[in-house]
Amino acid sequence: KNQVEQSPQSLIILEGKNCTLQCNYTVSPFSNLRWYKQDTGRGPVSLTIMTFSENTKSNGRYTATLDADTKQSSLHITASQLSDSASYICVVSKETGANNLFFGTGTRLTVIP
Amino acid sequence: DSGVTQTPKHLITATGQRVTLRCSPRSGDLSVYWYQQSLDQGLQFLIQYYNGEERAKGNILERFSAQQFPDLHSELNLSSLELGDSALYFCASSLAGKGDTQYFGPGTRLTVL
Repeated sequence: KNQVEQSPQSLIILEGKNCTLQCNYTVSPFSNLRWYKQDTGRGPVSLTIMTFSENTKSNGRYTATLDADTKQSSLHITASQLSDSASYICVVSKETGANNLFFGTGTRLTVIP
Repeated sequence: DSGVTQTPKHLITATGQRVTLRCSPRSGDLSVYWYQQSLDQGLQFLIQYYNGEERAKGNILERFSAQQFPDLHSELNLSSLELGDSALYFCASSLAGKGDTQYFGPGTRLTVL
């Protein structure tokens, strides 16, 4: 069964601290993995997209890693800011099939001063 | 601003009614995706169109239908509405297919009373 699981479900950190969000998947055959940031009530915004051959990709203070062998990805946020408070969603694309997008339920991050 | 526009922003209607949500993709994007996000739920992929043709189908109810027009804008039709259909409906667009970044619109908030 194709699944995407994210952990933790929610996270509260102090401003300036680092954090790491996890995404495990069983989607196969794998095509790519994306991380999105979604502010409450707004549309998701793409942070990174990684294919099978990429194991690290950065976007400013956001760094995503991918281990295609263990089917795990992480999103590391450095020096968190209050504006990082949002839900972070992991999405895995399958190479084949008509329904080929699988979404995690997200990690809700709250950054407090 | 992602470049994807959705109308209307808010829609309030009654059970049993039919509504149409509209999406205009970013200039040059050929793919349009529709998603549903219920309160505190993850994104649910509904359907994808590419250059006017249905490309992929997710968890879309039979009461729902969509189409993409020659000018590439898309409409999502929701009929026989139920209370449980109340949600945020997002449209996203991408250049072509599954390897491309998806850009999300601001969403349409549907409330069924």
